[in-house]
Amino acid sequence: GESVGLHLPTLSVQEGDNSIINCAYSNSASDYFIWYKQESGKGPQFIIDIRSNMDKRQGQRVTVLLNKTVKHLSLQIAATQPGDSAVYFCAELGGLNDYKLSFGAGTTVTVRA
Amino acid sequence: DSGVTQTPKHLITATGQRVTLRCSPRSGDLSVYWYQQSLDQGLQFLIQYYNGEERAKGNILERFSAQQFPDLHSELNLSSLELGDSALYFCASSGEQGGTQYFGPGTRLTVL
Repeated sequence: GESVGLHLPTLSVQEGDNSIINCAYSNSASDYFIWYKQESGKGPQFIIDIRSNMDKRQGQRVTVLLNKTVKHLSLQIAATQPGDSAVYFCAELGGLNDYKLSFGAGTTVTVRA
Repeated sequence: DSGVTQTPKHLITATGQRVTLRCSPRSGDLSVYWYQQSLDQGLQFLIQYYNGEERAKGNILERFSAQQFPDLHSELNLSSLELGDSALYFCASSGEQGGTQYFGPGTRLTVL
């Protein structure tokens, strides 16, 4: 069977290593997913998005994977840097005519030097 | 910098009072969304406006109201404030409904 990554509220990663942040979403009708990064005292910052007709999308040092079968989303950060320390949220748009974002609980990533 | 601006950055007030939070969306964006972020509830959607019209409501209290003006800026009004209303309030905007939402820096409200 396929393993599904668990959502962890915190993640500690060594600088230079790759990070994987997992998220389970709830609405099977959701067709748009976004990862946000929130640093202390700031608003959520867009990182990368993916639509439900895709299963993978790559950006600069980041990759988002979508598994609709098990309603799972992951964010991979390559060569994690100290500036990547933040809280990461996945968010889903509910589908037809539903434009509000529903956010996951967030994962706090701490990068160790 | 997302291009979304919010004022004030911080607001400290007393229970029972009324405050107004202001948001200017990114240039050209017609949709404005308000979210509340508290420690125990996380990020929660409050309300959405599109080109001046209310389009969606979340778990917004009756003591809270919002509007979007012809110049597309939006205001969130919070009245009869309670201690539990202390939170970060974020505004986001998107160019189209269902498009990527870009968030402002937030207003931190403290009710004493």
